[in-house]
Amino acid sequence: AQSVSQHNHHVILSEAASLELGCNYSYGGTVNLFWYVQYPGQHLQLLLKYFSGDPLVKGIKGFEAEFIKSKFSFNLRKPSVQWSDTAEYFCAVNFYYNTNAGKSTFGDGTTLTVKP
Amino acid sequence: DGGITQSPKYLFRKEGQNVTLSCEQNLNHDAMYWYRQDPGQGLRLIYYSQIVNDFQKGDIAEGYSVSREKKESFPLTVTSAQKNPTAFYLCASSTWTGNNYGYTFGSGTRLTVV
Repeated sequence: AQSVSQHNHHVILSEAASLELGCNYSYGGTVNLFWYVQYPGQHLQLLLKYFSGDPLVKGIKGFEAEFIKSKFSFNLRKPSVQWSDTAEYFCAVNFYYNTNAGKSTFGDGTTLTVKP
Repeated sequence: DGGITQSPKYLFRKEGQNVTLSCEQNLNHDAMYWYRQDPGQGLRLIYYSQIVNDFQKGDIAEGYSVSREKKESFPLTVTSAQKNPTAFYLCASSTWTGNNYGYTFGSGTRLTVV
């Protein structure tokens, strides 16, 4: 079955450090890719998404992600994190096969803690 | 403001009881989804609906039931057949044109079996 893997379960960084959170999926066909973020006490919200075109996509709050098809990856990056980036981050993938269009499979999430 | 409202925020259920979680959206979205979130396990799909009066099982539908009588509403019933119902339940919606372009989530309902 298709799956989504987030290898880092908990990441701790100091402010101004660079961030990269890994996301890999298992499927050789067409995919759409998402990153969601859940700040403490808030709803899950969409951070960025990739459907087609430039594999480097930019989202809110200075985040970006790069789709590397050959590596089945969609890693999330930010050059310099802030204390306010402390949150849980989820990678999600839409796998397109037969009638499976349109619903997302999520990774287990990565908790990011940024120390002031 | 448009959004998704889930209620109640906290729910306690006795063993053997059915309970219903409410999800209402005013975004005019066609598709609605129910996910379950357990610590360290991410979100798992329970049921989804892409059109009124139609819904499909997700990966973990056993012990749950849904209805979609109105576009705005997608209630989830956790039945006594669900063996481990204690979890955080999230409702989401999206536009639907043969694809979803990203979900809008509600604030969730935390269900505890006592």
